[in-house]
This record gives sequence, C-alpha cells and structure tokens, in this order.
Amino acid sequence: KNQVEQSPQSLIILEGKNCTLQCNYTVSPFSNLRWYKQDTGRGPVSLTIMTFSENTKSNGRYTATLDADTKQSSLHITASQLSDSASYICVVSWGGATNKLIFGTGTLLAVQP
Amino acid sequence: EAGVAQSPRYKIIEKRQSVAFWCNPISGHATLYWYQQILGQGPKLLIQFQNNGVVDDSQLPKDRFSAERLKGVDSTLKIQPAKLEDSAVYLCASSFGTLQETQYFGPGTRLLVL
Repeated sequence: KNQVEQSPQSLIILEGKNCTLQCNYTVSPFSNLRWYKQDTGRGPVSLTIMTFSENTKSNGRYTATLDADTKQSSLHITASQLSDSASYICVVSWGGATNKLIFGTGTLLAVQP
Repeated sequence: EAGVAQSPRYKIIEKRQSVAFWCNPISGHATLYWYQQILGQGPKLLIQFQNNGVVDDSQLPKDRFSAERLKGVDSTLKIQPAKLEDSAVYLCASSFGTLQETQYFGPGTRLLVL
C-alpha cells in the first residue's frame, strides 16, 4: 500500500534553533518528493521538489534530503523564525505518467520567541 | 501573477443541505484538482481535471459529490446532501500540466456541517 508517514506529529522549538522533520514513504513507482509548507488557514505552498537522482535541495533556510534506497527524506530548517510556524507536509508523486500525489499527515511546527 | 482563487472562504450549513464551492485556477493552467482536507490529516484528492475532462475521480463520493469544469477554466464542486463527516477544508489546486508539475493551492474553503 502506498503510504507517506511523517514524524514527529508536532514540534515546539525556540526561535533561532534548528530542527529536522522526517518523512518515510512506501510508494512505487516513485516519481518525486515534495515538501510543502501550510500556514494556518491557507493552502500548501511548495518548498522543494526532488527526483530520484537528487540527494539534497535547498530553498533559503530550508534544506531537504532524499535517500531513495531507504525511502526516507528529511527537511532541515536552519535558524528558525516565528514565521516558520506552520504544518510541513511531505508529498510523494507516483505513477510516472500522471501527477498522482500521496500526502503525509504533516508535522505541526511551533516556533516560540 | 494571481494565485488560485476560491470562494467562499467559510461556509456553515446544516446536514442534508446543499453547498457549492468555486475555484478559479492560475491563468494557463490546464490541470485542476479538488482536495478534501480533514482536520489533522493531509489533503485527499477528490477529482482531477485536464482542461474540461475528468482524469481521476476515483475517490469522489459520487452519490453526493459532483464537480464540473465546463469551459476548462473555472470549476465548481457541489455536495448534495451534506453529511456531518463532510466538515473539512476543500482545497483547489492547479498546475500547468500533469507530468511532474508543481501544484499551486488556493486558500481553501472551510466547511462546517452542523
């Protein structure tokens, strides 16, 4: 069964600290993996996208890694800011020919001053 | 560039009533998606359109949900009659195509069924 699991479910950190969010997937055939940020009351916004051959992708203070062998991905946030408080969703695309997406349940991050 | 527009932003109805949501995708985007996001869960695809044709509606509860994209641009999603478990955020997204394209999401419509 195609699944995307994320951990932790929620996380509280202090402003300025770093954190790492985890994503494990069992999706086949794998096309790509995206990390989305979803602010409260808004739609998800794409942060990074990685294909099978990419190990790491950065977007400002966000760095995503992908290990296609172990089917794991992580999202590292450096020097967190209050505006980083949001839900971070791991999304895996499968099927090749069409853009079918499987969403994780997300990690809810709260950055406190 | 204007994003994906959705309306209304909030809707409260009683069970067994009908409700409709509207979505205007990003200009030029051929593919449009409707998702249902229940609190604490990731979005679940309800239906995917390519222009005005349906690509995937396998998870759409067709006994009560319907969607159309008659002119290949705007789309409406309807629920008739609504049930308590339909309370969720309904997200519309669009992408230029279907192959490995990033989906851009609207702000969503938050539905509460009493």
